[in-house]
Amino acid sequence: KQEVTQIPAALSVPEGENLVLNCSFTDSAIYNLQWFRQDPGKGLTSLLLIQSSQREQTSGRLNASLDKSSGRSTLYIAASQPGDSATYLCAVKYGGATNKLIFGTGTLLAVQP
Amino acid sequence: EPEVTQTPSHQVTQMGQEVILRCVPISNHLYFYWYRQILGQKVEFLVSFYNNEISEKSEIFDDQFSVERPDGSNFTLKIRSTKLEDSAMYFCASRFQGDEQFFGPGTRLTVL
Repeated sequence: KQEVTQIPAALSVPEGENLVLNCSFTDSAIYNLQWFRQDPGKGLTSLLLIQSSQREQTSGRLNASLDKSSGRSTLYIAASQPGDSATYLCAVKYGGATNKLIFGTGTLLAVQP
Repeated sequence: EPEVTQTPSHQVTQMGQEVILRCVPISNHLYFYWYRQILGQKVEFLVSFYNNEISEKSEIFDDQFSVERPDGSNFTLKIRSTKLEDSAMYFCASRFQGDEQFFGPGTRLTVL
């Protein structure tokens, strides 16, 4: 069964700290992986999409890496700010005919001022 | 910046009633999706739609669910006879030809 898990489930850090969120997937035959941010009671904001052929993608203070062979992706957030507080979700799209994203459990991040 | 919109933001209905959730995808997008998130659980895929037909559906998407693109802009999810367990946040998403899916703000459905 294709599953996506994220650890830790929750993380609290002081403002200014660099941090890493982890995403693991059971089947390494992924097509791409997308990181999202979800604010309480709100929709999903796409942060980064990383293709299976890529090792990393960067957007501002965010950097996502992908290691297919180990079934892992990390989202690195530099110089965290209170405004980064949210739930971060990773979602995997597998190859073949499927269109769907399989989501992880999410990491709830709190950045303390 | 273009975005996916959804209405209503919150829908309350009685068990057994029909509901229609509405979405306006980004205008030049070609692929459309519905996902749902039961409170405290993962976001899960329901259905994808392309070229005016369902291209993939999950086992959740049974006969009580249907989707439609009635005109060039709207994309709807109908639940024929709602159950308590249909209470969830429903997200619409769309994409163009690239791989990135863009999500709407969601409709919170509460079935009493």
